[in-house]
Amino acid sequence: SYELTQPPSVSVSPGQTARITCSGDALPKKYAYWYQQKSGQAPVLVIYEDSKRPSGIPERFSGSSSGTMATLTISGAQVEDEADYYCYSTDSSGNHSKFGGGTKLTVL
Amino acid sequence: EVQLVESGGGLVQPGGSLRLSCAASGFTFSSYWMSWVRQAPGKGLEWVANIKQDGSEKYYVDSVKGRFTISRDNAKNSLYLQMNSLRAEDTAVYYCARGRQGVIIGYFDYWGQGTLVTVSS
Repeated sequence: SYELTQPPSVSVSPGQTARITCSGDALPKKYAYWYQQKSGQAPVLVIYEDSKRPSGIPERFSGSSSGTMATLTISGAQVEDEADYYCYSTDSSGNHSKFGGGTKLTVL
Repeated sequence: EVQLVESGGGLVQPGGSLRLSCAASGFTFSSYWMSWVRQAPGKGLEWVANIKQDGSEKYYVDSVKGRFTISRDNAKNSLYLQMNSLRAEDTAVYYCARGRQGVIIGYFDYWGQGTLVTVSS
């Protein structure tokens, strides 16, 4: 079955750049999306179609994708960015959805 | 304002059944793919099922095929998940999520707050 692989955790100091990766065989043909989930809350979309930022999402959040790897970059991470981050995509048919295992971002 | 409100969660014994509902408002429900996504306690997000705008196409994660059924009533702006033969590993918060208007599910832009399903004797 289709898999999206993320590192379990990433840790940075405030003001540093955090990078979270997501690898998947279908990513060369399918968009990657990124969700932020804070404790006890529903997920929030922070990047769509590899690199687009929804309205209301700070400019420090950016995304890129190359080959089988997508990357979420948080430039100048803030303490309030501490959360779990999930990449999302679909299989090659576009009909089955898939989340990565999630990455816990610690900013301290 | 787009709103998705789940209901129907609760405690059920292994082998039992439960029906979740999601009431949608603030958008033209019949124009969007809809989905269920779950999250087991302390675990990551897991996609469960997608349903097309008119209900003609339904897709499931392998672990729930044959046990869960996604459906919708566009006249009532409601999404459902019928869960049968429940197992302990189905214990999770179940989220209703809105997909896209196109020919494929795309991504989820709005989510409900979730309803907790606990499968235990």
